[in-house]
Amino acid sequence: QTVVTQEPSFSVSPGGTITLTCGLTSGSVSTSYYPSWYQQTPGQAPRTLIYNTNTRSSGVPDRFSGSILGNKAALTITGAQADDERDYYCVVYLGRGIWVFGGGTKLTVL
Amino acid sequence: EVQLVESGGGLVQPGGPLRLSCAASGFTFASYWMTWVRQTPGRGLEWVANVDQDGGSKSYVDSVKGRFTISRDNAKSALYLQMNSLRDEDTAVYYCARASSGHVFDYWGQGTLVTVTS
Repeated sequence: QTVVTQEPSFSVSPGGTITLTCGLTSGSVSTSYYPSWYQQTPGQAPRTLIYNTNTRSSGVPDRFSGSILGNKAALTITGAQADDERDYYCVVYLGRGIWVFGGGTKLTVL
Repeated sequence: EVQLVESGGGLVQPGGPLRLSCAASGFTFASYWMTWVRQTPGRGLEWVANVDQDGGSKSYVDSVKGRFTISRDNAKSALYLQMNSLRDEDTAVYYCARASSGHVFDYWGQGTLVTVTS
């Protein structure tokens, strides 16, 4: 069974840069997995940030960027703000209509 | 404006059935794949199922295969999730989401809570 891995938590200082990653327990994440990233405030619906590896969703500031780094998908946040303190989830497409989410990363800005 | 509104959640006993609905508006419903994603209390997101534009192709996460059925009514712009043989571990907030051609869940509903408890 494919498991998508994410850092459970991460801290960044205000104004700092952070890169969250999204990997597979077996194999590498490539663009063929169409990795996407979602931001969520507890109790609210997820918000789409990045899709198809590096395409920003409408209205998402360019402080958020997506890429492939090594064998993982990555979400980089530059100039971190207090408002970025939320949960971040990646999801990959395995084909045949099957998607798998990562466990999420809780980002703290302090 | 794209809107997705889920309904049908509630309390249900283990082994019981429940049917969730998602009313869509603001876009051509019949042109999009649709999906259900759930989130257990205090935990992460889990993709549950999706269905193609005409309902002919459906996929499910292994843990719900044989118990859940996703369906849609394009005439009513509605998505459904029939859940049978419910288990404690199915307790979650269930979101419906639109899946666009860019392999992205681009719009989400606000979710409906399903609680499986005796």
